Amino acid sequence: KAGVTQTPRYLIKTRGQQVTLSCSPISGHRSVSWYQQTPGQGLQFLFEYFSETQRNKGNFPGRFSGRQFSNSRSEMNVSTLELGDSALYLCASSLAGTGANVLTFGAGSRLTVL
Amino acid sequence: AQRVTQPEKLLSVFKGAPVELKCNYSYSGSPELFWYVQYSRQRLQLLLRHISRESIKGFTADLNKGETSFHLKKPFAQEEDSAMYYCALQAGGTSYGKLTFGQGTILTVHP
Repeated sequence: KAGVTQTPRYLIKTRGQQVTLSCSPISGHRSVSWYQQTPGQGLQFLFEYFSETQRNKGNFPGRFSGRQFSNSRSEMNVSTLELGDSALYLCASSLAGTGANVLTFGAGSRLTVL
Repeated sequence: AQRVTQPEKLLSVFKGAPVELKCNYSYSGSPELFWYVQYSRQRLQLLLRHISRESIKGFTADLNKGETSFHLKKPFAQEEDSAMYYCALQAGGTSYGKLTFGQGTILTVHP
């Protein structure tokens, strides 16, 4: 079956702009999580959505937001971009439910802020 | 808040040697622990999780609640094991999809 698909794969923005990243989960997976990966901070959890509801949120400013659609596809948005937002943004999907959730990751969207 | 520590940023071994990647965690409850691996030019993927108590690609990991550790071990390393390894923790309760990752260990297996 198709894996987790993230678009776009690469993008360059300038400070102050906003960006929207998209994630299509594995078919049947209803939970989508987003992570930011940087060389300095490593992998950090942004938020998680299930059935169009945000269930968990990490410690990021309000400029970072997301949403999930009825088909489980998810988008994340970063407004008023800063240089420090340059990172690889990873999306992961899982079956959700309770217990230990195995996450399947996408290839990521690499954002460069100039 | 939970924390995961992987003390070694880099680890080099020769093919056939045993390898152990260390992972320590701090969390007051009962965690779910995972090892994820990223091979060169590939996606981050699950290697194993403690709840399964299984061996994947010859790797095993035992959860030691007394020492709050979840070290990854393999008795005989292979060149194809060279990769970045991340230890990750999911807190109990409603932490769906939320993993706390360590900083990762780059394992290099020399021929």
